[in-house]
Amino acid sequence: EPEVTQTPSHQVTQMGQEVILRCVPISNHLYFYWYRQILGQKVEFLVSFYNNEISEKSEIFDDQFSVERPDGSNFTLKIRSTKLEDSAMYFCASSVRVEAFFGQGTRLTVV
Amino acid sequence: DAKTTQPTSMDCAEGRAANLPCNHSTISGNEYVYWYRQIHSQGPQYIIHGLKNNETNEMASLIITEDRKSSTLILPHATLRDTAVYYCIAAPWDSSYKLIFGSGTRLLVRP
Repeated sequence: EPEVTQTPSHQVTQMGQEVILRCVPISNHLYFYWYRQILGQKVEFLVSFYNNEISEKSEIFDDQFSVERPDGSNFTLKIRSTKLEDSAMYFCASSVRVEAFFGQGTRLTVV
Repeated sequence: DAKTTQPTSMDCAEGRAANLPCNHSTISGNEYVYWYRQIHSQGPQYIIHGLKNNETNEMASLIITEDRKSSTLILPHATLRDTAVYYCIAAPWDSSYKLIFGSGTRLLVRP
């Protein structure tokens, strides 16, 4: 069964450092998303991406965040200068239409 | 997006049907009801969706009331692996949609 793959599974970084979270969506999917979940809290929408541009972004997705689809297979989330409060599970998802497939997540720990 | 209300937690015995209710009294005509679940800290998993007709797939059944103000997700023969947080989400079906996750229902399947 096709799946969304995220790497790394766990990333530890120092405050102020840049991180790039990587995702390989399902190959024939057209819509891509990033969500995050702070420990013990709800899953929160960050950004959606279609046709090489951002479709929608939440208030969380400020200038410190960016997304890119550098080639035909990868979808990345970059955080330019990490803060302690960026510590969370980050989930990538992709879809053709209705059913969104989520990856297993990257646990980001900012120290 | 319409707000949904779910019980905080439920439990059922292994092998029995699990019936998870959801209220969405302010749902609008173009909004579907989606169900996802999250097992431990894994990525959310799509289960089923519907507009107004009852739906069934290999995982579950979805019963939507005639006035569409509430729905019930039915897992016909719950197993221990169905222990998870179940999310009911009302959202329009369009080509690039975001999912707004609430707190969901924590389902515990007892041996």
